[in-house]
Amino acid sequence: DVKVTQSSRYLVKRTGEKVFLECVQDMDHENMFWYRQDPGLGLRLIYFSYDVKMKEKGDIPEGYSVSREKKERFSLILESASTNQTSMYLCASSLFGVNEQFFGPGTRLTVL
Amino acid sequence: AQSVTQLDSQVPVFEEAPVELRCNYSSSVSVYLFWYVQYPNQGLQLLLKYLSGSTLVKGINGFEAEFNKSQTSFHLRKPSVHISDTAEYFCAVSNRDDKIIFGKGTRLHILP
Repeated sequence: DVKVTQSSRYLVKRTGEKVFLECVQDMDHENMFWYRQDPGLGLRLIYFSYDVKMKEKGDIPEGYSVSREKKERFSLILESASTNQTSMYLCASSLFGVNEQFFGPGTRLTVL
Repeated sequence: AQSVTQLDSQVPVFEEAPVELRCNYSSSVSVYLFWYVQYPNQGLQLLLKYLSGSTLVKGINGFEAEFNKSQTSFHLRKPSVHISDTAEYFCAVSNRDDKIIFGKGTRLHILP
């Protein structure tokens, strides 16, 4: 079974802190994605990556950056966390081409 | 540009009754269509997908969906729901570029 793991299920940070959310997949998938999920808004794509060291902006990249140094790992970085970044963050991976995306369990981030 | 509309944000239904969750999409090109389910405090998992071929797609847990190109719809159905079907359901569309656009979700409430 494909497994996508995220470093934390729950995280509480203060405004202005630098925050790292880590995602690891174990099935050699080329594509990796970061979404945020908010009530009534569904999933919105923040960034995605087709390959190591490659990244593309999604629909809401402002305030976020990403890093993909290894194929299995995709990190989301909040350079200076703000309260409006309080949300559920979901990581996903898929094989190249349109295929099912496999999701991690999510990280619920609260910024105080 | 693609978009997905889930017509109901919440659907209450009695246990053992049938249910239909509605989804309409807009796209100017051929699409792939998906339904994902999110159980409480979990990530998303794929219920079913339409890539090509038969317009009636069967998925896990007794769910099925019908692709209707003329009505640009992909409604999800189950003939008899169980309390364990309580979850949020997301319709999604892709135009074969590795990205998936998600709807805002429909919460299914099963009433005893």
